[in-house]
Amino acid sequence: ETGVTQTPRHLVMGMTNKKSLKCEQHLGHNAMYWYKQSAKKPLELMFVYSLEERVENNSVPSRFSPECPNSSHLFLHLHTLQPEDSALYLCASSRQGLIGYGYTFGSGTRLTVV
Amino acid sequence: SQELEQSPQSLIVQEGKNLTINCTSSKTLYGLYWYKQKYGEGLIFLMMLQKGGEEKSHEKITAKLDEKKQQSSLHITASQPSHAGIYLCGADGRGGGADGLTFGKGTHLIIQP
Repeated sequence: ETGVTQTPRHLVMGMTNKKSLKCEQHLGHNAMYWYKQSAKKPLELMFVYSLEERVENNSVPSRFSPECPNSSHLFLHLHTLQPEDSALYLCASSRQGLIGYGYTFGSGTRLTVV
Repeated sequence: SQELEQSPQSLIVQEGKNLTINCTSSKTLYGLYWYKQKYGEGLIFLMMLQKGGEEKSHEKITAKLDEKKQQSSLHITASQPSHAGIYLCGADGRGGGADGLTFGKGTHLIIQP
């Protein structure tokens, strides 16, 4: 366990479904991130929340909607996804301004869109 | 934007042998992170380098950052089956800021018994 917990571990959803991914950390971090990992591509940063403020990422389709209700929780709401959205979605957290301690990642949610 | 190139893309090494993985950045590195990932799982933090010429070791893994802060290497001595996985280097844009990390494509390491 890294201290960053993601649920569910696996998710299969239809293209018309609405689902949410959850991430939780109790490390005292104040920044949280969503990453997408597809086959043969580098990890892609999707969203950043710093001190519960969202940093815009215009390249992410609107069918992905993040929510950060407090510094310990992060959600990724999914709706009308496409098969190409199937990937491993990773959550990470860090302590802004604290160099040298790394970004801590969760175990990921394996998403399959059918 | 910063890009990281990792080499080799994949590596098959006999158990007990040494190996090196490289990570080259298109821009100066303010923070360079090494992670290990088991297939389909999350990333495990290995080491973080900041200063030019810096070198860190943990058990049989040594990471170095060159003086110009544009290239890093990860060296594993006397490899073991537990070293198998994907090794990723990640760059921090400003060091300490909440920008997230930019990653290379990873190096797939297979250890042959």
